[in-house]
Amino acid sequence: EAGVAQSPRYKIIEKRQSVAFWCNPISGHATLYWYQQILGQGPKLLIQFQNNGVVDDSQLPKDRFSAERLKGVDSTLKIQPAKLEDSAVYLCASSLGPSGYNEQFFGPGTRLTVL
Amino acid sequence: KNQVEQSPQSLIILEGKNCTLQCNYTVSPFSNLRWYKQDTGRGPVSLTIMTFSENTKSNGRYTATLDADTKQSSLHITASQLSDSASYICVVSRASGGSYIPTFGRGTSLIVHP
Repeated sequence: EAGVAQSPRYKIIEKRQSVAFWCNPISGHATLYWYQQILGQGPKLLIQFQNNGVVDDSQLPKDRFSAERLKGVDSTLKIQPAKLEDSAVYLCASSLGPSGYNEQFFGPGTRLTVL
Repeated sequence: KNQVEQSPQSLIILEGKNCTLQCNYTVSPFSNLRWYKQDTGRGPVSLTIMTFSENTKSNGRYTATLDADTKQSSLHITASQLSDSASYICVVSRASGGSYIPTFGRGTSLIVHP
């Protein structure tokens, strides 16, 4: 079974530029999550989708971050414009259903460096 | 406020020794608690899941405990191996509007020395 795919694996940009990350979840997984993990910290949930609807985006900085999951399959996360403090690993995860008793499977992450 | 606190922040032990990691939470309403292992440069991988009625659950050399009354959990690693060197993250999920929202702790960084 293929795992969660993410691209790119690494990205270096200058502040005020824009960047987009892509995630393809495990086939059949209805729930998709985007996390931001700053070095030395645990992942912080940015947004949670159930199919193509948003379940929770309370920690998403909506002035600069946006995410969509058209057709309820793959998803993109965009940052526009980027700030220095956005440097982090962006993890995508998916699960069969809401994160109650269904295990989340994580992708390898995208490491973003903002200069 | 829904929070998950882990201790210690980091831990260094010798190969073959045991260790215990702690997790305290204020997440409500409680649904379940998971311990994840995150190797450097990789995404987290689930070790155990515990629900309200479960006190202990084992997965090989990993044993998790849960005290729902005091809102505390621990992860005990027996006979540590070099491959146990990783970050261990406690995640508590709460029920919300028909779905479940996870709250992650900051993790405990474990280093096992030969």
